[in-house]
Amino acid sequence: DIQMTQSPSSLSASVGDRVTITCRASQSISSYLNWYQQKPGKAPNLLIYAASSFQSGVPSRFSGSGSGTDFTLTISSLQPEDFATYYCQQSYSTSWTFGQGTKVEIK
Amino acid sequence: QVTLKESGPVLVKPTETLTLTCTVSGFSLSNARLGVSWIRQPPGKALEWLAHIFSTDEKSYTTSLKSRLTISKDTSKSQVVLTMTNMGPVDTATYYCARTIAGDYYYYMDVWGKGTTVTVSS
Repeated sequence: DIQMTQSPSSLSASVGDRVTITCRASQSISSYLNWYQQKPGKAPNLLIYAASSFQSGVPSRFSGSGSGTDFTLTISSLQPEDFATYYCQQSYSTSWTFGQGTKVEIK
Repeated sequence: QVTLKESGPVLVKPTETLTLTCTVSGFSLSNARLGVSWIRQPPGKALEWLAHIFSTDEKSYTTSLKSRLTISKDTSKSQVVLTMTNMGPVDTATYYCARTIAGDYYYYMDVWGKGTTVTVSS
């Protein structure tokens, strides 16, 4: 299976900070990479699909980039409602996989 | 409005078979570009994709659990069923179903159910 490795596993940031989360695939996955946000006790919410395409209704402060094996999710100005865990997920192979998650906490 | 709702037992015993049902509304399981995935999350751990099925009856399973999983759909009932055999304590998790979109160069899960919690214990 394709392994997805996120870094960092957790981070502390302040409201207004620019935050970048990286996701690395163990082999090339072209742009078959999605990002999800999950808040405690809730189902995940799709933010970005196909590496850089915005899901309808997602604030413009979220953006995604990358292709091949290296991807990033950027939050341009962190808001209180953005404190959550973020997951990348590849849909390139027949067996899809998620990263281990990055928890964004309040500093 | 697109919604998905998971249903099934709250508690199963070790070695039993788990059967979960995802009932969808707001879209059709016969739509060529749409499918349903199952994903689980053990307490305090990461998400794990389990399986998906599309209108063509194309199915895929996660490699590590392939021998234990079966996914099927009943289009007339708007339901997708996942069975997992030989349940063990490590299978205790919240199980989610999600609508899955198939594009020319992408696949993604855009609408999720609220999840159902399954505990494996004797």
